[in-house]
Amino acid sequence: GQQLNQSPQSMFIQEGEDVSMNCTSSSIFNTWLWYKQEPGEGPVLLIALYKAGELTSNGRLTAQFGITRKDSFLNISASIPSDVGIYFCAGPNNAGNMLTFGGGTRLMVKP
Amino acid sequence: GAVVSQHPSWVICKSGTSVKIECRSLDFQATTMFWYRQFPKQSLMLMATSNEGSKATYEQGVEKDKFLINHASLTLSTLTVTSAHPEDSSFYICSADRAGTDTQYFGPGTRLTVL
Repeated sequence: GQQLNQSPQSMFIQEGEDVSMNCTSSSIFNTWLWYKQEPGEGPVLLIALYKAGELTSNGRLTAQFGITRKDSFLNISASIPSDVGIYFCAGPNNAGNMLTFGGGTRLMVKP
Repeated sequence: GAVVSQHPSWVICKSGTSVKIECRSLDFQATTMFWYRQFPKQSLMLMATSNEGSKATYEQGVEKDKFLINHASLTLSTLTVTSAHPEDSSFYICSADRAGTDTQYFGPGTRLTVL
């Protein structure tokens, strides 16, 4: 089946630093989704990417859909303590009715 | 927005009892809802896909007689954990597929603890 490899698995950074994480796959995805999950909560959609090469921003977050449709990255600029959480990339299967999730990147921000 | 609610937020029960978890899409209709299970420090694992008015499709290794899913309407799906045991303790999360998009919106999750 389709698999998403997310890296890094965890990051511990200083407040104010920029963060970059990525997601790769051996197969093509037509949509890339980035979610954030805080402890004890469900994932919240941050950015949805629908077109290869697309670069989309949401506040301090920027995500890009790779040209090959096999990768995506998420950047967070000027991190703040409330950015702490687990960030998941996800992509739907060909039928569009099931999501495959990456393993997640756990972000910790030191004030 | 696209809001999905879950009830209850957390539940503690004795071994052998059954627990029902509700998932509702509050401001949109969802022909498909999904149930996930998440263990600490792990990613979400899809348990089953439910479509309104039809039987749920379970992932390999998920017991359909233990995890009963009912998708009664376009805004409500329920997951019943029957005869729960301590190993069923987990974080259960539902999501709803907004019609016309490939995007799933997640509920806040239900933490189940079986004593």
